Amino acid sequence: NAGVTQTPKFQVLKTGQSMTLQCAQDMNHNSMYWYRQDPGMGLRLIYYSASEGTTDKGEVPNGYNVSRLNKREFSLRLESAAPSQTSVYFCASSPTSGSTDTQYFGPGTRLTVL
Amino acid sequence: SQQGEEDPQALSIQEGENATMNCSYKTSINNLQWYRQNSGRGLVHLILIRSNEREKHSGRLRVTLDTSKKSSSLLITASRAADTASYFCATPLTYNNNDMRFGAGTRLTVKP
Repeated sequence: NAGVTQTPKFQVLKTGQSMTLQCAQDMNHNSMYWYRQDPGMGLRLIYYSASEGTTDKGEVPNGYNVSRLNKREFSLRLESAAPSQTSVYFCASSPTSGSTDTQYFGPGTRLTVL
Repeated sequence: SQQGEEDPQALSIQEGENATMNCSYKTSINNLQWYRQNSGRGLVHLILIRSNEREKHSGRLRVTLDTSKKSSSLLITASRAADTASYFCATPLTYNNNDMRFGAGTRLTVKP
């Protein structure tokens, strides 16, 4: 039981390049989330998927797209990376989207955009 | 926008001492959660306290919630070096996890 896994762990991009961050969970959770964490700030929600087949914008969605491929997998795509997207990205999942449900986090992807 | 703000930003104590971290938030909530993050790792859920609860315990953790002051505190008793981590409070703005707001965290260092 791996929980929430993310790939890659580290990535360096040049401005304008694209990439996809992968996330998978094996806990049969319905809801999945993508956050970014910047120094001195808390996590900010980029996109979420309340259930398979649905995705919605969070607090900071600009410059990102997501795909809920199936119940297990939720990917985050940067179409044209910018230095402002340098951050640590965390994927999380929860049984439902209810606010009393615990969120389980992956180990993170550290992204640097030059 | 940040909903929760932790205080202090950093705290350094000796092993065996108690550590207290505070969180203030801005809007009404139905629950407040505390998470822990070890360096270079993802967040781990510690405890949830509902708006109708004033205090909750879990092992060496004690959480209080004062909805009139819009504040919460996390107390770690008899701290250990392994408690060294960042601690975040998180509050959902709605009844969904889709709008969870995290504070900037308190960095706790426990010296052996």
